[in-house]
Amino acid sequence: GENVEQHPSTLSVQEGDSAVIKCTYSDSASNYFPWYKQELGKRPQLIIDIRSNVGEKKDQRIAVTLNKTAKHFSLHITETQPEDSAVYFCAASLGGGSNYKLTFGKGTLLTVNP
Amino acid sequence: GAGVSQSPRYKVAKRGQDVALRCDPISGHVSLFWYQQALGQGPEFLTYFQNEAQLDKSGLPSDRFFAERPEGSVSTLKIQRTQQEDSAVYLCASSPVAEEETQYFGPGTRLLVL
Repeated sequence: GENVEQHPSTLSVQEGDSAVIKCTYSDSASNYFPWYKQELGKRPQLIIDIRSNVGEKKDQRIAVTLNKTAKHFSLHITETQPEDSAVYFCAASLGGGSNYKLTFGKGTLLTVNP
Repeated sequence: GAGVSQSPRYKVAKRGQDVALRCDPISGHVSLFWYQQALGQGPEFLTYFQNEAQLDKSGLPSDRFFAERPEGSVSTLKIQRTQQEDSAVYLCASSPVAEEETQYFGPGTRLLVL
């Protein structure tokens, strides 16, 4: 089955700096890649997603890039703010029908220091 | 509108007890997923429903775990004869249609088995 690796496990940045989190996946048939933000004790919230027919997607300070050949995708957060502090999870799925269960990475704890 | 809700939010059970965890998906959402999130880990897939049909239960860790969605809306995850290793947060997620990959998560039920 699908396996998703996520790095780093922890990331500490100064407010205003950029943060980058990287993920690799194993199943070349995967075609949907969401990123979730989870604050302590809260539900995972979708912040951005990308599908395999797109190489990059941006939403304000957040961007995601996908390299299907290398089977990796990355989350980029610019101008970080203290409220960006949380655990971020990448995930992958085959998409469609009964195959779009998500396989998650182990998460990255992002700390933005004021 | 109302998001995915889950109850109870916290559950303490003695080893060997049966527990039932409830998920109320977003109204009208066709697809419903259950995930298990161990402390410090990413969510792991348990089972998937499309309306009332359980199409994938490959992630259920043992035959002590059972899920149902009899009317295609509310779902219940039941764990029989709970063990300490069942301690985790159980997350429910729903999607509006079968072909829609975006999953909206509930707040989870934190289960502690003593």
